[in-house]
Amino acid sequence: EAQVTQNPRYLITVTGKKLTVTCSQNMNHEYMSWYRQDPGLGLRQIYYSMNVEVTDKGDVPEGYKVSRKEKRNFPLILESPSPNQTSLYFCASSFSGVQPQHFGDGTRLSIL
Amino acid sequence: KNEVEQSPQNLTAQEGEFITINCSYSVGISALHWLQQHPGGGIVSLFMLSSGKKKHGRLIATINIQEKHSSLHITASHPRDSAVYICAVTGMEYGNKLVFGAGTILRVKS
Repeated sequence: EAQVTQNPRYLITVTGKKLTVTCSQNMNHEYMSWYRQDPGLGLRQIYYSMNVEVTDKGDVPEGYKVSRKEKRNFPLILESPSPNQTSLYFCASSFSGVQPQHFGDGTRLSIL
Repeated sequence: KNEVEQSPQNLTAQEGEFITINCSYSVGISALHWLQQHPGGGIVSLFMLSSGKKKHGRLIATINIQEKHSSLHITASHPRDSAVYICAVTGMEYGNKLVFGAGTILRVKS
């Protein structure tokens, strides 16, 4: 089954404790992206990757890192999480940036 | 001002009604996406358009490139259509980024 898998689905953690949200797709997609969704602000793009070893900033990259060492994986790293990063995060993938995207189920992060 | 404007913000309809959600953007684009998000749920891509019109079941999406406007229509609406509908655009003006509208909250009453 074609899917984008995010882990964990839920996480409550504390300020400053490094965390990684994993994202994996099994569709051989080249384009992968991370978004955050906040009440009143909607969806905003954090980082995206056009292919292996190619990553670019979205609209809200501050406080986040990503890597794309393999085509299927695109982890989102919060080196020193802060409460303003409490949000609902979605990973998505597609064959290219102008193709329909497949979204993961979301990760709800709470940083205390 | 958001670069992608959706209207209305909220919409309540009676089951069976024809529904239209609008999306306007300010610069040239290469693609426009319509997404659906059910309450507490994930996000599903409904359509990706670069021109013309697409239809899937009771859903129809149109785009007018010259007017920088797209519409999502739902025919014979049903309570299960209740969701947030989100428009997003990408193109050279945005690099390869995706820029989202604020979403339209649709509630269909039975």
